[in-house]
Amino acid sequence: DQQVKQNSPSLSVQEGRISILNCDYTNSMFDYFLWYKKYPAEGPTFLISISSIKDKNEDGRFTVFLNKSAKHLSLHIVPSQPGDSAVYFCAYSGNTPLVFGKGTRLSVIA
Amino acid sequence: NAGVTQTPKFQVLKTGQSMTLQCAQDMNHEYMSWYRQDPGMGLRLIHYSVGAGITDQGEVPNGYNVSRSTTEDFPLRLLSAAPSQTSVYFCASSYQGRTEAFFGQGTRLTVV
Repeated sequence: DQQVKQNSPSLSVQEGRISILNCDYTNSMFDYFLWYKKYPAEGPTFLISISSIKDKNEDGRFTVFLNKSAKHLSLHIVPSQPGDSAVYFCAYSGNTPLVFGKGTRLSVIA
Repeated sequence: NAGVTQTPKFQVLKTGQSMTLQCAQDMNHEYMSWYRQDPGMGLRLIHYSVGAGITDQGEVPNGYNVSRSTTEDFPLRLLSAAPSQTSVYFCASSYQGRTEAFFGQGTRLTVV
């Protein structure tokens, strides 16, 4: 049973527009979430995180929103750039290692 | 600053062979873990360790063994390789829970 769900396997966005990647989770006790980005033939790299005491965290072009009542988080990338084309994973971190969603492949079209 | 180093990068095994995937980190992290990535399945946890001498199973542990004799190293052993173990394997380390994890570059394993 998936604890962290990314329901969209892929997303295509025009360069300069906003990319919105979504993630749902099942356990309301989850309190720390992360987004990772993965290019082909490389390991995942950390992008941004958020704890449940916040509902938003920004880092440059990347913003993560957390809606605890809906058990939903989203990653916004504005403006999207061709170099953002990658697979994005959301993950939960507790007292055990990261639990990942299945990922969303983002393609930013020039 | 090496971070997390995995060896080898590529490996082809015959069914029934055994091998060890190596993982080393130089950040003095307590937590280390192994994941496998398969198409459409995301990253699934195989085994993990929260410190030297302590290991535990993840979501897909069957067919794999681990040990953690030092803080730096966390090898993953395939006891008798099967085609279902064809995958890309990633090792990760983190200071503790609720912190970001750092990943190695991965090992692409093919079992024929």
